[in-house]
Amino acid sequence: AQSVTQLDSQVPVFEEAPVELRCNYSSSVSVYLFWYVQYPNQGLQLLLKYLSGSTLVESINGFEAEFNKSQTSFHLRKPSVHISDTAEYFCAVQGAQKLVFGQGTRLTINP
Amino acid sequence: DAGVIQSPRHEVTEMGQEVTLRCKPISGHNSLFWYRQTMMRGLELLIYFNNNVPIDDSGMPEDRFSAKMPNASFSTLKIQPSEPRDSAVYFCASSLRGVAGELFFGEGSRLTVL
Repeated sequence: AQSVTQLDSQVPVFEEAPVELRCNYSSSVSVYLFWYVQYPNQGLQLLLKYLSGSTLVESINGFEAEFNKSQTSFHLRKPSVHISDTAEYFCAVQGAQKLVFGQGTRLTINP
Repeated sequence: DAGVIQSPRHEVTEMGQEVTLRCKPISGHNSLFWYRQTMMRGLELLIYFNNNVPIDDSGMPEDRFSAKMPNASFSTLKIQPSEPRDSAVYFCASSLRGVAGELFFGEGSRLTVL
């Protein structure tokens, strides 16, 4: 069975500062990894995904995540955040026909 | 192209009443998921259909909950009788390739049971 741990429930940062949202997973099989974003009063949207190949994946709005198999991590980073990045971010792991979401990390951006 | 459509967006009901939530997945998607989101428990998978057939309903809380997918373009989640602890946001999502594909979520149905 898979499990996902998002180590921080809330992360406050100042605008234009860098941010890292941490995600660790456990699985006995090969996995696909995802980050979803949920803006206020909306459903979740896919931000980026790792299926295979390069371990560094990027989104169109400046986020990136690196798959680290030895550390079983898939941390999400952005070098400079914007007010519009305020949202809840969910890490998810898929393996053995199961998709499991983490508890979410609420990112708040202070001006 | 229309996304996943859920109705109602908001529902307030009294304990003991029947609640029916509806979902229209994206046309051509063969998988449909019902999730429940609460502050305490986060995002929980309730049930997953593939080609209209329930594949995994291990997350359905109890017999008060039932879900159907009579055709590829419509699904319902029913709670009967409803209880205050069922208050949550219920999301429907669909995908092209089951759990391995990108999930497209609706905007959710916020249920409040008094």
